Amino acid sequence: DAGVIQSPRHEVTEMGQEVTLRCKPISGHDYLFWYRQTMMRGLELLIYFNNNVPIDDSGMPEDRFSAKMPNASFSTLKIQPSEPRDSAVYFCASSLYGTNNSPLHFGNGTRLTVT
Amino acid sequence: AQTVTQSQPEMSVQEAETVTLSCTYDTSESDYYLFWYKQPPSRQMILVIRQEAYKQQNATENRFSVNFQKAAKSFSLKISDSQLGDAAMYFCAYRSPITQGGSEKLVFGKGTKLTVNP
Repeated sequence: DAGVIQSPRHEVTEMGQEVTLRCKPISGHDYLFWYRQTMMRGLELLIYFNNNVPIDDSGMPEDRFSAKMPNASFSTLKIQPSEPRDSAVYFCASSLYGTNNSPLHFGNGTRLTVT
Repeated sequence: AQTVTQSQPEMSVQEAETVTLSCTYDTSESDYYLFWYKQPPSRQMILVIRQEAYKQQNATENRFSVNFQKAAKSFSLKISDSQLGDAAMYFCAYRSPITQGGSEKLVFGKGTKLTVNP
């Protein structure tokens, strides 16, 4: 079990550029989550999927953010256009069942810096 | 909306000693789930322990145990026989029950940085 795999580990981009973050969940997990971590706001849920279907996207900050899960083994979080306030660590996590029955397995995160 | 508060931004403990990390939360729900997650410098989040609100018995996982006080809305984590590898950020988290309109969303506190001194 390789765990949740995120790429890239670090991303530095200029304001206005498109950024795509990638995630491969643990095989067989039905739930996939995208979290954002900043010093000011801590960890916040952006969106989560169940069986590849978005269930709760109420945490997505604005239309510049979009997330997709085209299949059970891959998800992307896209920011277009990026802004300096998007700088944060973005975590992907997966869970076998819901979070009350199985733990969240987090990836190592992508540190995004927008200059 | 539920909120989770960790009032100790930083804590330190001597190796082999015991330390308690505090967490309080605000909710009007009667059934919910509480978690402690650990984030070492590698940034990966690791589940330490989980508690269901309807269970009165405090959860225990080896050297980690919780003191769950439902009426006080308190959920503290006790680490016994602290080890150098316990040094990390610790996050308390809350989750509503799905059956009462909740989702799989975890609400996290801001975290407590634990230092273990040799």
